[in-house]
Parts: sequence; C-alpha cells; structure tokens
Amino acid sequence: SQTIHQWPATLVQPVGSPLSLECTVEGTSNPNLYWYRQAAGRGLQLLFYSVGIGQISSEVPQNLSASRPQDRQFILSSKKLLLSDSGFYLCAWNPLVGGSSPLHFGNGTRLTVT
Amino acid sequence: AQSVAQPEDQVNVAEGNPLTVKCTYSVSGNPYLFWYVQYPNRGLQFLLKYITGDNLVKGSYGFEAEFNKSQTSFHLKKPSALVSDSALYFCAVRDWEYGNKLVFGAGTILRVKS
Repeated sequence: SQTIHQWPATLVQPVGSPLSLECTVEGTSNPNLYWYRQAAGRGLQLLFYSVGIGQISSEVPQNLSASRPQDRQFILSSKKLLLSDSGFYLCAWNPLVGGSSPLHFGNGTRLTVT
Repeated sequence: AQSVAQPEDQVNVAEGNPLTVKCTYSVSGNPYLFWYVQYPNRGLQFLLKYITGDNLVKGSYGFEAEFNKSQTSFHLKKPSALVSDSALYFCAVRDWEYGNKLVFGAGTILRVKS
C-alpha cells in the first residue's frame, strides 16, 4: 500500500534562518506531488506541485521554493524565513494519471518562525 | 477557474441528530468533488468523492454526500452524529487546468455536543 511521510512534525526557526521540509511517498511510481500551506488552522493554499522529477510549478510568488530530486521525494525550502512563513505545511500526492483519484496527505509540519 | 464555497464557518449539532455540512461549487464542465476531514494537527483524511453516476455517494465513517447539479451543491451528511465526528471539514473540487490539483473551500468546523 502507498504511504506518505513528512518530517519534521514540528519546527521552530528564527527569522532569517534556512528551511528544509521533506516529503517522501512509498508504494507508487510517478506520483503528482503537492505542497499546501494552511494558515490560521483553516484554508488551504497550494504552494507548489510537481508532475515529475525536476518539474515544479509554483502557484504563488513567495519566499519559498520546492525541488523534486527523486521520483518520490519532494522538498520545500527557504533561504531566509520570514515571520509570515509560519503555518502548517502539508504534502500530498495522487497518481499521475486518473483525475478521479483523491489527494492523499501527510501528517503535516507545524512551522513557527520566531 | 474552479471553486467551492462552504457558507458556514461552524456547524453545531447534538449527538445522535443528523448533520449536514454545506458545499456549493462553481466549475466549467463536469465537477469532480471531494470531502475531507481534518483533526487537530493532522493531515487531511479523504472521506468520499463524486465523479459521475449516482447522486448519493457513500463514504467513510458513515458519511454520505448528495450531488445536486441544479443547485450546484455537494452537501455532506450523516444520519446520526457522534462526538468523535467533531473536526474541520473541507470540500474540494478538481482543477483540471493545474495538474489535477484540488481547490479547497475555507472549511467548516463541526461541533457535536453530547
């Protein structure tokens, strides 16, 4: 069966420090991969999605970047964190083909920028 | 662009009573609709989906949803609420323009009181 892993679960970082969040998927090949951010415990905003290795699409301009160095690995990064980067970051995947498939989410990373 | 709206920030219901969480959609073409549940500090869990066919869709944990094309709605329902159903619920629609991503509503908090 397929599983998705995100780490760390929680992270407290000072303003101006770098960030690296990692997400990996097991039990499938060629997944679509997504990074969402949830601010204030409510709405979900899509940050990045990827349909293959090295292929990243950004939804909104921001202080963050994403990379997909391997088929089932998706990394969210920042060179210098801002206070506004605080939030709950969720990684998700679904099969590359098959629009009827739901997204499957990891357990998220709670990022607090101080 | 595809979108969904959840008109209620919060729904309160007594345990044992039926519950409804509302969702309306705006899409071009046929909608692919999804419901998710989120517990505190956790990722989103898939409940059910409507792709085509029967307008009444059954999902996990006794939940069901009714697709109504004329009213452009996809309300989540459960005949008898449990205290453990208390959580944040999201409606979502597939956006075909952006790599099978899901566009989420703002979420509805469901509180079930004993």
